[in-house]
Amino acid sequence: QKEVEQNSGPLSVPEGAIASLNCTYSDRGSQSFFWYRQYSGKSPELIMFIYSNGDKEDGRFTAQLNKASQYVSLLIRDSQPSDSATYLCAVKNQAGTALIFGKGTTLSVSS
Amino acid sequence: EADIYQTPRYLVIGTGKKITLECSQTMGHDKMYWYQQDPGMELHLIHYSYGVNSTEKGDLSSESTVSRIRTEHFPLTLESARPSHTSQYLCASSQNGYTFGSGTRLTVV
Repeated sequence: QKEVEQNSGPLSVPEGAIASLNCTYSDRGSQSFFWYRQYSGKSPELIMFIYSNGDKEDGRFTAQLNKASQYVSLLIRDSQPSDSATYLCAVKNQAGTALIFGKGTTLSVSS
Repeated sequence: EADIYQTPRYLVIGTGKKITLECSQTMGHDKMYWYQQDPGMELHLIHYSYGVNSTEKGDLSSESTVSRIRTEHFPLTLESARPSHTSQYLCASSQNGYTFGSGTRLTVV
């Protein structure tokens, strides 16, 4: 089992819809969870991080964490074509030494 | 505005050459990292450092080496480049979440 798993997609949504991106992780001791956006040919950029169970909102983005289910999600409201990118889920390992990344989910928002 | 800089942005080099990929950050972060990413694949940690004179190997076996003589500088060296080293190399530094540099796309021919 991979440490951080994401559906590679592509996930296609129309402009204005809600995009839901999901991630599961294997290390039950993980404490910190991050979502990055990566445009083609570019480096990842941090969107949000979440440490506690529940929801965390930042503008059009909401991160959701359920440690019992080892599940993290990212909701993007009012999706825009500029949101089209690969979204990477990352989990800090229990030792706290580094982030472990999933393969990413490709999102395509059509206008 | 990028506070972490990688050079070169692109590099095409012949087999057997020695190369150094540069990474510098101006944020004063103690923690720095090197990741390798192939197209469509996840980032794999190859080296990390928690401060000056501290370096550790990551999860992915790599023939590269790193040094951390100054807080702001974390270069990666390949003594003898091979085609299997062709990849994108991403440097990052962290306080909480990571800030990535723009990456070096290396092609070994």
